[in-house]
Amino acid sequence: AQSVSQHNHHVILSEAASLELGCNYSYGGTVNLFWYVQYPGQHLQLLLKYFSGDPLVKGIKGFEAEFIKSKFSFNLRKPSVQWSDTAEYFCAVISSGGYQKVTFGTGTKLQVIP
Amino acid sequence: NAGVTQTPKFQVLKTGQSMTLQCAQDMNHNSMYWYRQDPGMGLRLIYYSASEGTTDKGEVPNGYNVSRLNKREFSLRLESAAPSQTSVYFCASIGQISNQPQHFGDGTRLSIL
Repeated sequence: AQSVSQHNHHVILSEAASLELGCNYSYGGTVNLFWYVQYPGQHLQLLLKYFSGDPLVKGIKGFEAEFIKSKFSFNLRKPSVQWSDTAEYFCAVISSGGYQKVTFGTGTKLQVIP
Repeated sequence: NAGVTQTPKFQVLKTGQSMTLQCAQDMNHNSMYWYRQDPGMGLRLIYYSASEGTTDKGEVPNGYNVSRLNKREFSLRLESAAPSQTSVYFCASIGQISNQPQHFGDGTRLSIL
């Protein structure tokens, strides 16, 4: 069965600190990987996605993620966080072919302290 | 603007009442989804519809029914609301190409007293 694990449930950082949020997935076939962000009171918005090619993916607002196939990981990074990055972050996997089965991780709440 | 539209945005119900959450998308997407979001549990899939005329259970379907009225609309019904169904509900849709992300509605915050 397809699954996604986000091991960090709540992360607190000071502004300008570096961020890395873990995401591991399990699925035997080809997957497409996504990171979404949800600001307080809002819906999920796409940060970045990976489906093929360069495993280092750059998204909006200075975020990037690296797909490491051997580790089944797709960790999200940002060199220097800002207070406005305070939000909840979700990793998601969509399996390829036929019906697009979507599986989300349980989310990581990031709190950035000014 | 193109996207996913959910109504209502907020609703308070009494235990045992029924209601339908509406969702419509204007992107000609085939697949539509209903999720509930609860603290610490991420998004859990309630029902999905791979195409017009088909619906299937997701992870947490009990207490809910859905209708894929046409390609645009996918409604979620609570027949007899229970306090455990207090949650934020999101509708989403996705096109046929699997490397495309889901598009989400703004959510419905539902409280059952």
